[in-house]
Parts: sequence; C-alpha cells; structure tokens
Amino acid sequence: SYELTQPLSVSVALGQTARIACGGTNIGIKNVHWYQQKPGQAPVLVIYRDSNRPSGIPERFSASNSGNTATLTISRAQAGDEADYYCQVWDSSTVVFGGGTKLTVL
Amino acid sequence: QITLKESGPTLVRPTQTLTLTCTFSGFSLSTSGVAVGWIRQPPGKALEWLALIYWDGDTRYCPSLKSRLTITKDTSKNQVVLTVTNMDPVDTATYYCAHRDGEKFDYWGQGTLVTVSS
Repeated sequence: SYELTQPLSVSVALGQTARIACGGTNIGIKNVHWYQQKPGQAPVLVIYRDSNRPSGIPERFSASNSGNTATLTISRAQAGDEADYYCQVWDSSTVVFGGGTKLTVL
Repeated sequence: QITLKESGPTLVRPTQTLTLTCTFSGFSLSTSGVAVGWIRQPPGKALEWLALIYWDGDTRYCPSLKSRLTITKDTSKNQVVLTVTNMDPVDTATYYCAHRDGEKFDYWGQGTLVTVSS
C-alpha cells in the first residue's frame, strides 16, 4: 500500500518561512492535498491539487509537488499557524493520509 | 453552504458494533460526482481514512479495515451511515465525516468522540 512520510515536527521562528515535506514514491504524479488541524478542531483544507488555495486561505500558504516530495510552505509564519498539518493523496481508489507534522511557531 | 454533522454513541463496549450517522446539508448525494467519506483520529494520533460512498452507491474502504466496515447512504434523508463491527479499545477515536470534491475533502463535520471500553 502507498505510504506518505512526514516529519513529526517542524519549528519556525515568528515571521519566518516554514516548510513541511511529504514524501511518497513518485508523489509528483499524484494530486496532493494539505490540511491544517488545530487542537480540538476538525481538519481544514488549506491546499488542494498540489498548489491551489481554497477561498479564505491566506496567500502565505503555498505548496509544490515534484519527484518524491511534496512541500507545504508557510511564509511569514504567525502564532495562529501553529497546528498539525497533513498531506493526502489518492492511490488505487483509496485515500492515504500522511502521519502529520506538528508545526511550532517560536 | 455545506455542513455535516456526525452522531452516534459516545461509548461502546468491546465486540459491539458501532453505528454512526452523518447528516449533511447544502448538497445532494444523488448529484453526479458527489461523495461522502469517513475519517477517524485516535487521541493524539494521525488521521486515518475509513470509507467513502459515491452518489451512485459505489463504495471504497480502507483495505486493512474493510472486513469490519459498511458504509451506506439514505439520499432522501441526506444521511450517510457507517457501521464498524467488533469494536476494540484501539478503535477509540474521533470519527469525522467529510464531503469529497474531486480528490479532496473540502468540508468536514465537527467530529464525534467514540470511546471503546468495558
């Protein structure tokens, strides 16, 4: 079965740029979606189809996907960006989530 | 405006069957292309996809849990039901239902915590 690998945690200084990786075999040929989940809340879609932002998501959130790694980038990180982030793809008609990355804003 | 809400028991005993209902509004599960999925999250752990049902009744299941899962829909009631048989303490989790658009889940319910304990 297909697996997505994310770092357990990423730290970023306030106002700096955070990058969260999502690794998978040839993930570059798949559509990757990213979710933000704050404590006690349901996940929120922040990026879909590799690099598209839903309405209401700040431009500070961007993403790319190539080769074996997809990357979520959060520019000018704010305290409110502190959350768990999950990548997601479809593989063989099933949904696959990454293990999640906890973003800490210092 | 699309909304979804999960309902069901908060506590189930080991070996029992869990039945959860997702009641939604703002879309119809009879519209071509529409689907609703279930995702769960054990306390402090990652999201785990469980099942999906399409507008035409087609279903998809997490391979490792397929034998224990059944997803059905009642289009007239705007509901999707998930049953999980032979519940175990490791199935303790918050269960979410979500609207699927394309390959992404763009709207999620608030989730419901189900505890499995004797």
